[in-house]
Amino acid sequence: GDSVTQMEGPVTLSEEAFLTINCTYTATGYPSLFWYVQYPGEGLQLLLKATKADDKGSNKGFEATYRKETTSFHLEKGSVQVSDSAVYFCALSGLGAGSYQLTFGKGTKLSVIP
Amino acid sequence: GAVVSQHPSRVICKSGTSVKIECRSLDFQATTMFWYRQFPKQSLMLMATSNEGSKATYEQGVEKDKFLINHASLTLSTLTVTSAHPEDSSFYICSARRTGLYEQYFGPGTRLTVT
Repeated sequence: GDSVTQMEGPVTLSEEAFLTINCTYTATGYPSLFWYVQYPGEGLQLLLKATKADDKGSNKGFEATYRKETTSFHLEKGSVQVSDSAVYFCALSGLGAGSYQLTFGKGTKLSVIP
Repeated sequence: GAVVSQHPSRVICKSGTSVKIECRSLDFQATTMFWYRQFPKQSLMLMATSNEGSKATYEQGVEKDKFLINHASLTLSTLTVTSAHPEDSSFYICSARRTGLYEQYFGPGTRLTVT
């Protein structure tokens, strides 16, 4: 079945550092890919998405490119802020009968220190 | 747009009682709603998928008689935890899929504590 693997955290960075959170997936066909962010005590918010190969999703300075050849969707940000501290989830939505279900990675906790 | 609310945000109940959690799509119609459970420092576990007007589809290992799901309208789904036990304490999150689209929008979650 479909699966998502993302780098284990926690990740601790200094403010203005470069961020990469790796995400790879296994799925049949051409899934849609997502990054969600969860701030402490809150639900999930969609950060960005990509629906086909070579698409780049971007939002709030974060970017991720849908790489079909490497089955990856790595999250990057050039300069993190303290307010970016949160848990980040990579997810995919596949095709077929379960196409509306999301498969999540385990999440990566990011802590940004001043 | 695409706001999903949950009520209550926090609830404490005694063991053996039942508690109902509501999930509402405030500004769109949701044909499908999903219920997730999240344990501390872990990912979201899909519990069930509910489609408006039909019975929910539960994931393997989730007791349908314990976690009752009702999706009576295009904007409201409820999860009732029956005969709650301390091990049911968790963070429950719902999401809603806008009719005609595949994207899910998440509620803020409900923290359930069973004493």
